[in-house]
Amino acid sequence: DAKTTQPTSMDCAEGRAANLPCNHSTISGNEYVYWYRQIHSQGPQYIIHGLKNNETNEMASLIITEDRKSSTLILPHATLRDTAVYYCIVRPPTTSGTYKYIFGTGTRLKVLA
Amino acid sequence: DTEVTQTPKHLVMGMTNKKSLKCEQHMGHRAMYWYKQKAKKPPELMFVYSYEKLSINESVPSRFSPECPNSSLLNLHLHALQPEDSALYLCASSLGQGNVQPQHFGDGTRLSIL
Repeated sequence: DAKTTQPTSMDCAEGRAANLPCNHSTISGNEYVYWYRQIHSQGPQYIIHGLKNNETNEMASLIITEDRKSSTLILPHATLRDTAVYYCIVRPPTTSGTYKYIFGTGTRLKVLA
Repeated sequence: DTEVTQTPKHLVMGMTNKKSLKCEQHMGHRAMYWYKQKAKKPPELMFVYSYEKLSINESVPSRFSPECPNSSLLNLHLHALQPEDSALYLCASSLGQGNVQPQHFGDGTRLSIL
């Protein structure tokens, strides 16, 4: 069962900020949130991850709510090349003590010229 | 460009054929993963190898047989596949299975079963 919920699709004007929400209301204290994107015909590309503090890198910012039940990925100045499916992933432990990704259904972001 | 290399990029095979998918990384990662992705669906985990040992098998049919000959190489042997096995097969690697560092994905092998 997917542990994250995301909007199916979003549009964003080129040059504007794209804010992609994700709900992970059942997240537990030691589970990280990861964001990836997948451009058509390519493998998923890592964007950013975090536990409870806000994170920023050269690609994006990740804002995690204080209760950790939701997060938002922010692409500050969207370009046409940011058109992709964006996945929010939590990484729960398994019974063997290892970890695995559970992908949600993703948000199809379309950046409009 | 990706640091995880998968070959071949495309594969067409009959239901009676035997073929193998190959994945290679030289980042010193000790965990490697196989995922299956159907069209317009998210990737689904199939297998995880940690330090060259199989640690997770997500109840994958035995017609898929993984192999990890060394820490840089991961194979997926295919035999007697069904048309519904047509999909994009993705390989990923990470520093270590319990480590918080992210997985790095290859661009996949697109498999078609005739």
